[in-house]
Amino acid sequence: AQSVTQLGSHVSVSEGALVLLRCNYSSSVPPYLFWYVQYPNQGLQLLLKYTTGATLVKGINGFEAEFKKSETSFHLTKPSAHMSDAAEYFCAVTMFSGGYNKLIFGAGTRLAVHP
Amino acid sequence: GAVVSQHPSRVICKSGTSVKIECRSLDFQATTMFWYRQFPKQSLMLMATSNEGSKATYEQGVEKDKFLINHASLTLSTLTVTSAHPEDSSFYICSAPGRSYEQYFGPGTRLTVT
Repeated sequence: AQSVTQLGSHVSVSEGALVLLRCNYSSSVPPYLFWYVQYPNQGLQLLLKYTTGATLVKGINGFEAEFKKSETSFHLTKPSAHMSDAAEYFCAVTMFSGGYNKLIFGAGTRLAVHP
Repeated sequence: GAVVSQHPSRVICKSGTSVKIECRSLDFQATTMFWYRQFPKQSLMLMATSNEGSKATYEQGVEKDKFLINHASLTLSTLTVTSAHPEDSSFYICSAPGRSYEQYFGPGTRLTVT
């Protein structure tokens, strides 16, 4: 069965600092992996995804993630944090169940950015 | 493209009443939609999968008689919380699948049951 573990429920960085949000997955089949961002009282917005091909994936707002099969990881990074990056971030993996491709989410990481 | 809307964004209802939440795909057709529930500061929990023209499939532990789902057309799915109680207060989010296994999410509906 597929699962996702996000290490660190809260991450705090200074504006301009590197952002690193960790995600490890477990999957019995080649995984499709996603990062979503959620601002307060809003739905989820897709940041980036890995399905096949290049293991370094670039997304919106300067974020990128690298799929590392040997480490079963899909960590999210951004070189320089902005105040507007403060939000909740969810890593997810696809699970085929009951005839549908469902998403299994990690517990989420709340990113705080301070001046 | 790939915009999903929800209505209402916020709703307050009295205990014992029912409330309906709509989820629409605005610029694409969705034969499948997913309904999630999110408690404060927690992750999303999949409640059910909505299927156009057929019955919804519910995740284990979700009461199908309490959370009625109807997928009336290729662009509309509704979730009705029947006989709502304060413990049903939550953030409800719907999504529709995209072409590459991603899902497009609605903005969510905040339900408060008093």
